[in-house]
Amino acid sequence: GAVVSQHPSWVICKSGTSVKIECRSLDFQATTMFWYRQFPKQSLMLMATSNEGSKATYEQGVEKDKFLINHASLTLSTLTVTSAHPEDSSFYICSAVSGVGTDTQYFGPGTRLTVL
Amino acid sequence: AQSVTQPDIHITVSEGASLELRCNYSYGATPYLFWYVQSPGQGLQLLLKYFSGDTLVQGIKGFEAEFKRSQSSFNLRKPSVHWSDAAEYFCAVGTGGGNKLTFGTGTQLKVEL
Repeated sequence: GAVVSQHPSWVICKSGTSVKIECRSLDFQATTMFWYRQFPKQSLMLMATSNEGSKATYEQGVEKDKFLINHASLTLSTLTVTSAHPEDSSFYICSAVSGVGTDTQYFGPGTRLTVL
Repeated sequence: AQSVTQPDIHITVSEGASLELRCNYSYGATPYLFWYVQSPGQGLQLLLKYFSGDTLVQGIKGFEAEFKRSQSSFNLRKPSVHWSDAAEYFCAVGTGGGNKLTFGTGTQLKVEL
């Protein structure tokens, strides 16, 4: 089946530093990838949609300069949390779809970010 | 705007008992509806989905869901729960061709042996 990986699975960083999270589709080419944020005991909130080779589309209220998304290839998308602060601590999850019009998203296992 | 409500935050059932997880949605057009399961350390796994056609949808692991337009519901059911079914379950509505997902807040299922 379609597998999506994320790296790292957890990261701790100091306030003011930047953190990069990778999302890879291991056995398929992902034309579209999505980034979600999940707070404890809460639902997943869509942050942005990225298509290979084009700029990401951010959801309302998500700071594009804070959360930089790059989808440089059909198997890799990255989320960089810039100048991280404790309120950015969360569980970040990516998903990928394999083609235009394809409906099934395959989710990565998530990355736990803790900002001290 | 679309929304999803999962009224039950926690549910506990005995192993072997039947299960029903509730999901209500709000969306102006015909919805794409999904149920996902999330286990610790693993990514969300798709259990089943509804786009059109038969309102009773069969999924993996013995789960099924019924779409009821009149009630704006898409409840998940399983006739006999196994201990390995303990996990967090999310209902979602998809827009924008089904890709843009709005999730409910999830239901944590505990299975008593």
